[in-house]
Amino acid sequence: RKEVEQDPGPFNVPEGATVAFNCTYSNSASQSFFWYRQDCRKEPKLLMSVYSSGNEDGRFTAQLNRASQYISLLIRDSKLSDSATYLCVVNAGSARQLTFGSGTQLTVLP
Amino acid sequence: NAGVTQTPKFQVLKTGQSMTLQCAQDMNHNSMYWYRQDPGMGLRLIYYSASEGTTDKGEVPNGYNVSRLNKREFSLRLESAAPSQTSVYFCASSVQPGLAGGPGELFFGEGSRLTVL
Repeated sequence: RKEVEQDPGPFNVPEGATVAFNCTYSNSASQSFFWYRQDCRKEPKLLMSVYSSGNEDGRFTAQLNRASQYISLLIRDSKLSDSATYLCVVNAGSARQLTFGSGTQLTVLP
Repeated sequence: NAGVTQTPKFQVLKTGQSMTLQCAQDMNHNSMYWYRQDPGMGLRLIYYSASEGTTDKGEVPNGYNVSRLNKREFSLRLESAAPSQTSVYFCASSVQPGLAGGPGELFFGEGSRLTVL
C-alpha cells in the first residue's frame, strides 16, 4: 500500500462546478499536510497547508480527518485556470518523511 | 526574483556517461533537496541537505551523489547514468524547521528533464 494515495483522475468538470479530491495516508504519526499544485511540465507550488480545524482560501477549502487518515481539497466555482495536477503531501516530521502523492489531474472545461 | 534555479533544463545522455545537475537558491534557505518525478509516481526524495555542510540520503539515493557547495548551491551527480535514471529532476529549498518539525514550504526549481539512452 502506498503511503499517500490519491485518485489519479482525470477529473473533467465544467467551469463553475464544485470538485473535491481526497487523499489518504497510512502513517498515523503524520503531523503536517499540504496541497501543492503542479501545472503541466512545470514545478509544484504550494497551494495551501491543511490545518486540523480545516482552512479556506478563497474558493479553496482543505479539510483534515485524522481519525480516518485523509485530507480533502474542495474547489468551488472552478475556473479554466484551475486546470492542473493537485499533489497531496504528508509530513511525519522530517525531510525524509515528507511524502508526495502521485497527484490528481483536473481539467476545467469551458 | 530568481528563487531556485536549475541547470540544465534538458539533457540526453548515453548509458555510462556522467553529468552534474546544478541548483542554486537565493532565498537564504537552510535546507535543499533533490527529487525525481516519474509518471504515475509521486516525487521521490533522492538526497537532501538540512544545512550547509550536511547531506543525507533520501528514499532513492542509489546511483547519485550530491555536494552542498555552500548555502546557496546543491548539486546532484550521476556518475554512470542508466536508463532507469530517465526522469524529471527537481531541486527544492525550504526554511528548516517548518511546521511540526519537518520542512516548511518547499520552493522548487523548474526541473531538469534527463533522458538516458
